[in-house]
Amino acid sequence: QKEVEQNSGPLSVPEGAIASLNCTYSDRGSQSFFWYRQYSGKSPELIMFIYSNGDKEDGRFTAQLNKASQYVSLLIRDSQPSDSATYLCAVQDTGNQFYFGTGTSLTVIP
Amino acid sequence: ETGVTQTPRHLVMGMTNKKSLKCEQHLGHNAMYWYKQSAKKPLELMFVYNFKEQTENNSVPSRFSPECPNSSHLFLHLHTLQPEDSALYLCASSQESRDGSPLHFGNGTRLTVT
Repeated sequence: QKEVEQNSGPLSVPEGAIASLNCTYSDRGSQSFFWYRQYSGKSPELIMFIYSNGDKEDGRFTAQLNKASQYVSLLIRDSQPSDSATYLCAVQDTGNQFYFGTGTSLTVIP
Repeated sequence: ETGVTQTPRHLVMGMTNKKSLKCEQHLGHNAMYWYKQSAKKPLELMFVYNFKEQTENNSVPSRFSPECPNSSHLFLHLHTLQPEDSALYLCASSQESRDGSPLHFGNGTRLTVT
């Protein structure tokens, strides 16, 4: 059984701080890694993807991947109240199957 | 219209009813998915259609019946559901042949079984 683990939170950070969200996965053969944001009552929305070891930056978001440690993280700089949501980590294996974590609930406090 | 569209947004049905969920994607993708999202659980894959052919059926009860008439449309037919089937049902699409192609989700159908 391939697993994706996330701390369910809730994670609270003050406005303007850096929010750090973490995810570990069990399948060493995993190829692609995604972060989705889901607001309450809404569907998941893709915000970042990363395929190679290292960092990938997009605006205030940075995804970090360490395949040796089977670890992927998402950093949100200058956190805003509008970033308050649940963040889902998704891992895609070589068979193009997606596996999701349970999500981390983030609250940014004004 | 763009993206992935699901209807209805909300559905309340009795255990003896028959209803259908509809999904349409306008992204030119060749794979479509049904996921179930329940509280405190990871997204559960129910069905995958790749090039209109069903390639995955994750031991889903037969009271859920998918239909994929073409690569842009996907249905989920529901009958004699149980209260524990109440959840958010999400349709998604992707470009299956391209490695690393992400899932694009529709807005979901919030289903309540009474």
